[in-house]
Amino acid sequence: AQTVTQSQPEMSVQEAETVTLSCTYDTSESDYYLFWYKQPPSRQMILVIRQEAYKQQNATENRFSVNFQKAAKSFSLKISDSQLGDAAMYFCAYRRGFTGANSKLTFGKGITLSVRP
Amino acid sequence: DTGVSQDPRHKITKRGQNVTFRCDPISEHNRLYWYRQTLGQGPEFLTYFQNEAQLEKSRLLSDRFSAERPKGSFSTLEIQRTEQGDSAMYLCASSQRSGQGNSEAFFGQGTRLTVV
Repeated sequence: AQTVTQSQPEMSVQEAETVTLSCTYDTSESDYYLFWYKQPPSRQMILVIRQEAYKQQNATENRFSVNFQKAAKSFSLKISDSQLGDAAMYFCAYRRGFTGANSKLTFGKGITLSVRP
Repeated sequence: DTGVSQDPRHKITKRGQNVTFRCDPISEHNRLYWYRQTLGQGPEFLTYFQNEAQLEKSRLLSDRFSAERPKGSFSTLEIQRTEQGDSAMYLCASSQRSGQGNSEAFFGQGTRLTVV
């Protein structure tokens, strides 16, 4: 079974600074996807960024980028130029890559990010 | 399309009562998922549908839980004889499976259930 571990329950960052959120995972599969989702208070979960395991290049989306270390099974999220609107709970998630399979997501426990003005 | 919608947003019920939640996925999405999220935890998979077929159920889904997706459109999740341990946020998500693979999952705002 796949597992996703987020060991930091909370982090805080100063507005305009950079913060890195950590995630490790465990799987025996070679084809999979990794995601970071953002869940603001009382609002729906939205996708921040995704990484295909077969791609060596780290994914980037504007101020968000990942450091994907496949051998170490590590998948961290870097938020640059942090904004007040980035304050939320962030979840790391795993999904199998085979298209015919159940494409359910396996989530970590999440990390609460606060942004100081 | 306004995305995935869930109804109700909040539900308070007495222990032992039955409750039913509804999820309307994005209209062109053929896959629909239910997750449960307790305080301080990440969402946990409960079950999923491809069109109207329920293809997998988690061991978390006890006999008191049942889900349906008639006609492959909206879905309902019913909990019978609710227990205090059922108190959680119930999230619905949808995605599209095609020959090119699976699209990202879009989530609803969830239904927060409190059993008193």
